[in-house]
Amino acid sequence: QVQLVESGGDLVKPGGSLRLSCAASGFTFSDYYMAWMRQAPGKALEWVSFISLTGSTIYYADSVKGRFTISRDNAKASLYLHMESLRAEDTALYYCARPLKPRSSPYYFGLDVWGQGTTVAVS
Amino acid sequence: QSALTQPPSASGSPGQSVSITCTGTSSDVGGYNFVSWYQHHPGKAPKLVIYEVSQRPSGVPDRFSGSKSGNTASLTVSGLQADDEADYYCNSYAGGNNWVFGPGTKVSVL
Repeated sequence: QVQLVESGGDLVKPGGSLRLSCAASGFTFSDYYMAWMRQAPGKALEWVSFISLTGSTIYYADSVKGRFTISRDNAKASLYLHMESLRAEDTALYYCARPLKPRSSPYYFGLDVWGQGTTVAVS
Repeated sequence: QSALTQPPSASGSPGQSVSITCTGTSSDVGGYNFVSWYQHHPGKAPKLVIYEVSQRPSGVPDRFSGSKSGNTASLTVSGLQADDEADYYCNSYAGGNNWVFGPGTKVSVL
């Protein structure tokens, strides 16, 4: 079945780095934009970054621009998020998510497949 | 501070209906028909229940409906069931590379 499985979350000190991974299965990964989303404790959902089919187009939320780098490996059906200069406010459950429609930006039709998330704690 | 405004809570009895509003501006909700709603049970992955203001993804029951008037979008859950108790988030495209979420509404089934 369609599945996204995140990994790589950890406890890290402020200023540290971390790399999150997301393994996709059950669908043609290269047909979909992909997204990283997060939810801080007690806070709302927040988008972090999107990446296009080939990685040629990438968007970041202002809160992570310049510190986070999204990438993908279509051959491995995997999505990554490299996080640097981590801050306490980056503490959150990080989700990998797939848009509803293939070859369409997440902006338009929402995200209909989500992983269970991986926890990043900066302290 | 979220760019969109939602009431912090809403409630209804089983079988009744509950409506949640999501208020933005002409730059987001009012400017585009790209409003989505997510249901989120704590500890589980969020679930897309409405996209493009009023469209339901496959598998979402027609008890969930969406609409928009001006700068305010609404989600209505009819025939409330115990499993509908969750947090609901609205989300809208806001032009350029901007995508905004609401703070969430906790729906309780009394």
